[in-house]
Order: sequence, then structure tokens, then C-alpha cells
Amino acid sequence: DTGVSQDPRHKITKRGQNVTFRCDPISEHNRLYWYRQTLGQGPEFLTYFQNEAQLEKSRLLSDRFSAERPKGSFSTLEIQRTEQGDSAMYLCASSYTSGKNTGELFFGEGSRLTVL
Amino acid sequence: TQLLEQSPQFLSIQEGENLTVYCNSSSVFSSLQWYRQEPGEGPVLLVTVVTGGEVKKLKRLTFQFGDARKDSSLHITAAQPGDTGLYLCAGDHPSGTYKYIFGTGTRLKVLA
Repeated sequence: DTGVSQDPRHKITKRGQNVTFRCDPISEHNRLYWYRQTLGQGPEFLTYFQNEAQLEKSRLLSDRFSAERPKGSFSTLEIQRTEQGDSAMYLCASSYTSGKNTGELFFGEGSRLTVL
Repeated sequence: TQLLEQSPQFLSIQEGENLTVYCNSSSVFSSLQWYRQEPGEGPVLLVTVVTGGEVKKLKRLTFQFGDARKDSSLHITAAQPGDTGLYLCAGDHPSGTYKYIFGTGTRLKVLA
């Protein structure tokens, strides 16, 4: 198992462009999370999935953000009409959660977005 | 609004010193985790605490969950340069749905 992988690792784009990030979780994990992190701060929750179902999307997210996990495996996070304030590290994490089992989050190395 | 506040925000100490990092909330969490993150990498789990008053030790690191499950502390004994990093607490949201909310973070630098 190679762990959680994210692509691309770095993305530089101009304001107004759309960007898409991909996350491949650990294969047997049923939960997948997206977080946003700015320098030196804790990760901010964006959304999460149980298999292919999106359980919750943060109220902090505008309608420009959308995430999918179509087959319960990999996930994509799309940001439309990017703004400079979207510049951040986008982290993906996965876990296996069952009943009362407290799942450990396994993180990818993140996708760093810079909006010019 | 952050549910979990960490203090201090920054800490720079000499090798061999002891330190304590705090994670506080007004909400009750069913479980709480501590992670360490190094530059350019994702956070890595150190420990999970689930019972009020629980104490766990990981070599020179001691973790405690508050009796009321609203707060936690991380104590490092005889800090080493390898302990340098961003320490994050994360709580299972009070709704108990395994939606993990992260604290504000404590950046630790241990000088040789």
C-alpha cells in the first residue's frame, strides 16, 4: 500500500481559472476527507465522504467549490473561478471507520495552490 | 470560528527543556487525536484518547484527555531537535460522526 496520494503536488493558476485536485485514498478506507490549510495554521475542514456519499460540506465553502467521489474510491476537488484567497494547501485524508472504531486519519502530502 | 484552540501558538526552546501544549474547547469530544506535521508533509497521528482523564505515553511524550473531555494536553520531556514541527489536536466533532475538527496548531522549534 502506497498510502494516500494527491495530484498535482503544486498548481499555479491565474485568477478566474478553474482547478481540479485528485486524491487516491488507501484502498480499503471508506472515509475520505478534504481539508484546506494555510501556512502555520491547523487544517480547516471542507468536506467528507462515506464511500461515495458526501456527508457534509463546510458552510465556509462557497458554491465555487465542489467535490466528488463517484465510485467510492478516488475523489476530486474542483475550484471554479479561483480567487487569490483560495491560495492554500489542500489536504486529503482517508480512514476506515466502522461502528465505534475511531479511525486514524492518513493524510496525503497535499496539493499546494497558488492563485496569481 | 475554531472549536479547538491551542496554546501557545509558537514555542522556541533549547534542547533538553520540557514543554506543554494545550488544546481547549467549550465542546465535549468523544475522542481527541494529536498529530505532528513537518514542512511539506501531511499530519501524522501520534495518539488517540477516548476516555475522560485518560493518560497515554509515547516515549518522551505524555498526552492527557481532560476529565470532561473538553481539553487535552501534550507534554514533552527533554525536547530534542527532532521534535520540531507543527503539533495539531483534532477532535471528533461533538455530533459524533467522525468529522474531525483540527485545532489552531502549535509550532515548536527545538534548538540544538
